Amino acid sequence: EPEVTQTPSHQVTQMGQEVILRCVPISNHLYFYWYRQILGQKVEFLVSFYNNEISEKSEIFDDQFSVERPDGSNFTLKIRSTKLEDSAMYFCASSGGEQYFGPGTRLTVT
Amino acid sequence: AQKITQTQPGMFVQEKEAVTLDCTYDTSDQSYGLFWYKQPSSGEMIFLIYQGSYDEQNATEGRYSLNFQKARKSANLVISASQLGDSAMYFCAMRWPMNRDDKIIFGKGTRLHILP
Repeated sequence: EPEVTQTPSHQVTQMGQEVILRCVPISNHLYFYWYRQILGQKVEFLVSFYNNEISEKSEIFDDQFSVERPDGSNFTLKIRSTKLEDSAMYFCASSGGEQYFGPGTRLTVT
Repeated sequence: AQKITQTQPGMFVQEKEAVTLDCTYDTSDQSYGLFWYKQPSSGEMIFLIYQGSYDEQNATEGRYSLNFQKARKSANLVISASQLGDSAMYFCAMRWPMNRDDKIIFGKGTRLHILP
């Protein structure tokens, strides 16, 4: 069964560093998403992406964040200069009907 | 603004009993979709069940059923014959309008503990 994959599963980085979280959506899906879940809290929408551009973003998704689909398979989330409060689980999702979530990347900013 | 409310932060249930997890939502839209996701301790989000606002029948998927009461804006998840493996965090979520490619918003979740 096709699935969304994410790498790495866990990333530890120092405050101020740039991180890139990677996702491989399901191959025939056209809509892609990033969500964030701070430990112990609810899952929050960050951004949706369609046709090589952002279709919607939340107020969390400020200038420190960017998304890209650099090739036909990967979908990336970049955080330019990480802050302590960026520590969270980041979920990628893709949709060709229903949204399927990846297993998440746990980002720890120290 | 659309809002999802899960009033039970935690629940303890004896194995093999049925469980009802509460979810209410607030929207003025007529077209929306309701979801339940399970998040075990490993962290992944597992889709359980979906209900469209125009669906007349309550959704069912195996041991999971969604008790959809549109007038009350309620979408409770019922798990029949609970198992130890059902211990997890459960999130109610909504998408509006029902367009399948729109973002999903989540409630705060209910942590379910199944006792042997």
